[in-house]
Amino acid sequence: AQSVTQPDIHITVSEGASLELRCNYSYGATPYLFWYVQSPGQGLQLLLKYFSGDTLVQGIKGFEAEFKRSQSSFNLRKPSVHWSDAAEYFCAVGAYSGNTPLVFGKGTRLSVIA
Amino acid sequence: EAGVTQFPSHSVIEKGQTVTLRCDPISGHDNLYWYRRVMGKEIKFLLHFVKESKQDESGMPNNRFLAERTGGTYSTLKVQPAELEDSGVYFCASSQQGAGQFFGPGTRLTVL
Repeated sequence: AQSVTQPDIHITVSEGASLELRCNYSYGATPYLFWYVQSPGQGLQLLLKYFSGDTLVQGIKGFEAEFKRSQSSFNLRKPSVHWSDAAEYFCAVGAYSGNTPLVFGKGTRLSVIA
Repeated sequence: EAGVTQFPSHSVIEKGQTVTLRCDPISGHDNLYWYRRVMGKEIKFLLHFVKESKQDESGMPNNRFLAERTGGTYSTLKVQPAELEDSGVYFCASSQQGAGQFFGPGTRLTVL
């Protein structure tokens, strides 16, 4: 069965510190992987996606993610966190360039402290 | 370019009543999806339209939920009659080939 695991429910980091949010997936075919962010009162915004090619993908807002097939992981990183990055982050997996239903992880809530 | 829009943003109804949620996808997007997040749980798929046809409705919880997409443009999701466990945030998303799914802001439904 398809599944996504985000092992960290809540993470707190200091502003300016680096960030890594973990995501592991289980998928029977070639996965298409996504990270979304939901800021308070907002909808889900697509941060980045991986379909094929270079396993390190760049997204918006300075985020990047690395696909590691051997570890079934797609961790999200940012070198220096800003207070505005406080939000909930969701990892998702799908097929066929995303034109199929996505399976989401439970989300990781990020808090940023001064 | 306008994003995915959803109406209403919030809805509070009593158990047994009917509620209709609306989603307007990004213009030109053939694929339209409905998802739901119940409090404390993950976002779960409900159904997928390709133009006006239901491609996959495997996630619909029961026959109290009815989704339509007349003319392949906007979509509605009706819950009739609503139950307490239907409370949650209902998201709509749309996509075209290769770009990933773009989500709307969601409708928060509270059933009392």
